[in-house]
Amino acid sequence: GEDVEQSLFLSVREGDSSVINCTYTDSSSTYLYWYKQEPGAGLQLLTYIFSNMDMKQDQRLTVLLNKKDKHLSLRIADTQTGDSAIYFCAEIAPASGGSYIPTFGRGTSLIVHP
Amino acid sequence: NAGVTQTPKFQVLKTGQSMTLQCAQDMNHEYMSWYRQDPGMGLRLIHYSVGAGITDQGEVPNGYNVSRSTTEDFPLRLLSAAPSQTSVYFCASSLGQGEYEQYFGPGTRLTVT
Repeated sequence: GEDVEQSLFLSVREGDSSVINCTYTDSSSTYLYWYKQEPGAGLQLLTYIFSNMDMKQDQRLTVLLNKKDKHLSLRIADTQTGDSAIYFCAEIAPASGGSYIPTFGRGTSLIVHP
Repeated sequence: NAGVTQTPKFQVLKTGQSMTLQCAQDMNHEYMSWYRQDPGMGLRLIHYSVGAGITDQGEVPNGYNVSRSTTEDFPLRLLSAAPSQTSVYFCASSLGQGEYEQYFGPGTRLTVT
């Protein structure tokens, strides 16, 4: 099946930028997402990018997409301790029957220390 | 709006027991889905529904049943629980598929002994 890969851990100092990377294999991906999961909670959508875009900026978040290399990144500027969480990359592609099946990465644990 | 609610929050079952995990949303979303999250793994889709009366299998459907008799509710049934079903289960809903934001419930932590 299709695959989404992420590094498992990232540690940054408060105030620095964080960059979380993701690679995927499905060339028919239409949307790519970044979700945030805080302890004991469900996933919360942070941002998404359509596959024909190469960049999207939303306040402190910048998403870069390299479709040729199937590489997605999430940059968080001025990282704060409240950004400590697990970040999931996900992609969605059309499946048989016209439905869309999402595939999630394993998640990157971001630890922000003072 | 309460959003997506799930009950119970925690459950312990013995092997072979059955139970139903409840999920409800009050946002009039057509699309609902169930995922399981295992340690060190991403979410895997169990079953999904594109509207009342319509359900379909996801990536890991074996051992689970779903039904969608109303737009609001999407229960997940474990027919005969197995230790391999120990996991955290998330229900999600959205207006549709694709670019629509999925709203996740808080999860149900299930342990099967």
